[in-house]
Amino acid sequence: EDKVVQSPLSLVVHEGDTVTLNCSYEVTNFRSLLWYKQEKKAPTFLFMLTSSGIEKKSGRLSSILDKKELFSILNITATQTGDSAIYLCAGAHYGQNFVFGPGTRLSVLP
Amino acid sequence: GAGVSQSPRYKVTKRGQDVALRCDPISGHVSLYWYRQALGQGPEFLTYFNYEAQQDKSGLPNDRFSAERPEGSISTLTIQRTEQRDSAMYRCASSRLAGPGEQNTDTQYFGPGTRLTVL
Repeated sequence: EDKVVQSPLSLVVHEGDTVTLNCSYEVTNFRSLLWYKQEKKAPTFLFMLTSSGIEKKSGRLSSILDKKELFSILNITATQTGDSAIYLCAGAHYGQNFVFGPGTRLSVLP
Repeated sequence: GAGVSQSPRYKVTKRGQDVALRCDPISGHVSLYWYRQALGQGPEFLTYFNYEAQQDKSGLPNDRFSAERPEGSISTLTIQRTEQRDSAMYRCASSRLAGPGEQNTDTQYFGPGTRLTVL
């Protein structure tokens, strides 16, 4: 059965800290891994990773995929209170079905 | 509109009633997905369409759940004879694809969801 596991499930940091969120996956016919940020509304897209070892960056956020170890991390540097959210990781099959992990709830305190 | 829209945003119903949840994807998006999200959990896949064709309905929990997308645009998720355990946020997402059979994955853009409460 396909599975996506995220850790930690919950994390509390102070503004300015750097955080690393972890995602491991077991997805048949794996195609890519996606990260989403979810606040009180719909999940919003952050990154799609298809190839190993190529870091994707967007401002203070970056992510990388290791297809050998079936693992991805999402880094957030110099965190801000606006980064407080649930971060979802999803493994995508060929054929487009996505399997989501439970999410990491990040709280950034001022 | 610019994004995926869903209606109603909130639905409260009594056990045993049927409900229909609507999703209007981003214009031109080929694929449409339905998810169910319990509080504190990630979205759980239910079913998806390419155009009007339902490609995978393996995530539908039982035969009370059905979905259609008759014209390849708006989709309706129907739950018959609702039960309290059906209470959840139901999310729709759409993605832009080259066409059916294309071995590709693409970003899914989520709608705001319909919060269903079954009393």
